[in-house]
Amino acid sequence: NAGVTQTPKFQVLKTGQSMTLQCAQDMNHEYMSWYRQDPGMGLRLIHYSVGAGITDQGEVPNGYNVSRSTTEDFPLRLLSAAPSQTSVYFCASRRTGTKSTDTQYFGPGTRLTVL
Amino acid sequence: DAKTTQPNSMESNEEEPVHLPCNHSTISGTDYIHWYRQLPSQGPEYVIHGLTSNVNNRMASLAIAEDRKSSTLILHRATLRDAAVYYCILRDGSGTYKYIFGTGTRLKVLA
Repeated sequence: NAGVTQTPKFQVLKTGQSMTLQCAQDMNHEYMSWYRQDPGMGLRLIHYSVGAGITDQGEVPNGYNVSRSTTEDFPLRLLSAAPSQTSVYFCASRRTGTKSTDTQYFGPGTRLTVL
Repeated sequence: DAKTTQPNSMESNEEEPVHLPCNHSTISGTDYIHWYRQLPSQGPEYVIHGLTSNVNNRMASLAIAEDRKSSTLILHRATLRDAAVYYCILRDGSGTYKYIFGTGTRLKVLA
């Protein structure tokens, strides 16, 4: 298993540009989520999904869109990039079984800089 | 969402035990306590979780207070590779599936 993969690893955007961060998992996990981590800070939940066709907002959803057309993929779209979106973005996945077994698996992250 | 409180940073000497505390006074009866750690320049990784009883695995032990308002992650013999940020997280008991991270404790291990 490759686990959770994210592309690209690094990206530089200009203010106002749009882009999509890709996330894929091969563990057949129902739950997927996106976090952002600003320098020296903890992770903040942007959006999450409990299955194909189902998404919901996290703590900091503004400026981001998501969709979940397949179990494997959960892309994050930046509609009009702003310098405040400069951050490291992590994708995660897990099963939605009992709470005692729902370990989250994280991808390696995408480091995004918006100029 | 129930919140957790952790010290910003801690230091430990190599080969000595480390006790990382977490307060979660608003925990609900069905919330599991999870610990993750984040090594430098990596995504977080699972360490351990528990509900009421103390738990052990190959990485660490988790001691949970009887009233469940606090817990302690125990690394029995810290190594330099254990230097990381450790996050204590309450698994949302309302069924909305959200994991909310706090700011964590940065552990420094001294050689």
